[in-house]
Amino acid sequence: EVQLLESGGGLVQPGGSLRLSCTASGLTFNSDAVSWVRQIPGKGPEWVCGISHYGDFYYRESVKGRFTVSRDNSKKSMHLQMDRLRIEDSALYFCAEANFASGGTWFFDQWGQGTLVTVSS
Amino acid sequence: QSVLTQPPSVSGAPGQRVTISCTGSGSNIGGIFTVHWYRQLPGMAPELLIYDNTNRRTGVPARFSGSKSGVSASLAITGLQADDEAIYYCQSYDSVLNAWLFGGGTTLTVL
Repeated sequence: EVQLLESGGGLVQPGGSLRLSCTASGLTFNSDAVSWVRQIPGKGPEWVCGISHYGDFYYRESVKGRFTVSRDNSKKSMHLQMDRLRIEDSALYFCAEANFASGGTWFFDQWGQGTLVTVSS
Repeated sequence: QSVLTQPPSVSGAPGQRVTISCTGSGSNIGGIFTVHWYRQLPGMAPELLIYDNTNRRTGVPARFSGSKSGVSASLAITGLQADDEAIYYCQSYDSVLNAWLFGGGTTLTVL
């Protein structure tokens, strides 16, 4: 059974940092792209960042320079270092396995259950 | 305001057919990028239903089908069942924003 498990969420003050982790089981992690997608309750999902199996990084504009995604294939894990957090970064953060779509981009095949990040003073 | 626009809600009686639209622009759906559809139940993560416009994920019933034309895509659900009630999202890529995008979501109500 494919499983993605996120951890590391919590309450942090604006300007603070958090490190999220995602551990995979039941899938060939090394050959997969992976992404972080966040969702504010009641709103649609919002793609945050991703890393290809080649190690190419992709970030949405609003998190560039503040968030850093990394992966450790030997541990089938992915991490998201979030610095200089803003109130608007508050959301449920999902990790997702990404598969290649026609046209060379991704769709998100497997999802974890999410970890909640709350940025508040 | 999402770049990919979906109707906030649709509804239908059991057994009926409903369609959910997703409208974008030339830099996303209207270009070379394909559309994917997800279903989200309350308290759960989104679940992939359709990828690359028309392909059903393994295990998804044939009652679900996708299509794309121009700058729009649609998800059709036939033979509506009570457990089809969920929020449905479309997703694509935008070459101007250089980002993967989701629609704002459509809540399906089975009457």
